[in-house]
Amino acid sequence: KQEVTQIPAALSVPEGENLVLNCSFTDSAIYNLQWFRQDPGKGLTSLLLIQSSQREQTSGRLNASLDKSSGRSTLYIAASQPGDSATYLCAVTSGTYKYIFGTGTRLKVLA
Amino acid sequence: DGGITQSPKYLFRKEGQNVTLSCEQNLNHDAMYWYRQDPGQGLRLIYYSQIVNDFQKGDIAEGYSVSREKKESFPLTVTSAQKNPTAFYLCATRGSYSNQPQHFGDGTRLSIL
Repeated sequence: KQEVTQIPAALSVPEGENLVLNCSFTDSAIYNLQWFRQDPGKGLTSLLLIQSSQREQTSGRLNASLDKSSGRSTLYIAASQPGDSATYLCAVTSGTYKYIFGTGTRLKVLA
Repeated sequence: DGGITQSPKYLFRKEGQNVTLSCEQNLNHDAMYWYRQDPGQGLRLIYYSQIVNDFQKGDIAEGYSVSREKKESFPLTVTSAQKNPTAFYLCATRGSYSNQPQHFGDGTRLSIL
């Protein structure tokens, strides 16, 4: 059974710092992995989608990498800003319609 | 995300009452999902639908029901059989292919009176 873990559960960093968020999964037979952002009381906003054949995806200050063999993905945020404060979640799918989500990392960027 | 509308934003349920949460999309996506989010837990799948007039139970379907009569709409009914319905409910959609991303609505928060 696929399990997705995100550590740490919470993180506080000063503004301007580069940071890495981690996502681990137990079954490497994934089809793709998606990173989301969730603001308090809101739905999830899709950030990046990495297919299993890809090693990384970039969007602006965000870079997500995928290492299927080790069951890990990282989300790199460059030059963090207070507006980046949110909960970041990752989700994997094995190619069916079902997704398994991690419990998220709550990020706070201090001004 | 734009294109997925969940209503109402807040909903209160009395004991023994059924309530229905609305999810409407204009993204022309075939797949639609309902998730439940509780504090400190990941999203848990309640039901999903790959196509009109077809839907499958997710991991926590007991006490919930759905219908998919139109491509654009996937309402979720929380029945009185769901003994702990207080949670944040999220609707999501995805295109027909597994290499496409999921998109989410803004959620409905359900509480017990």
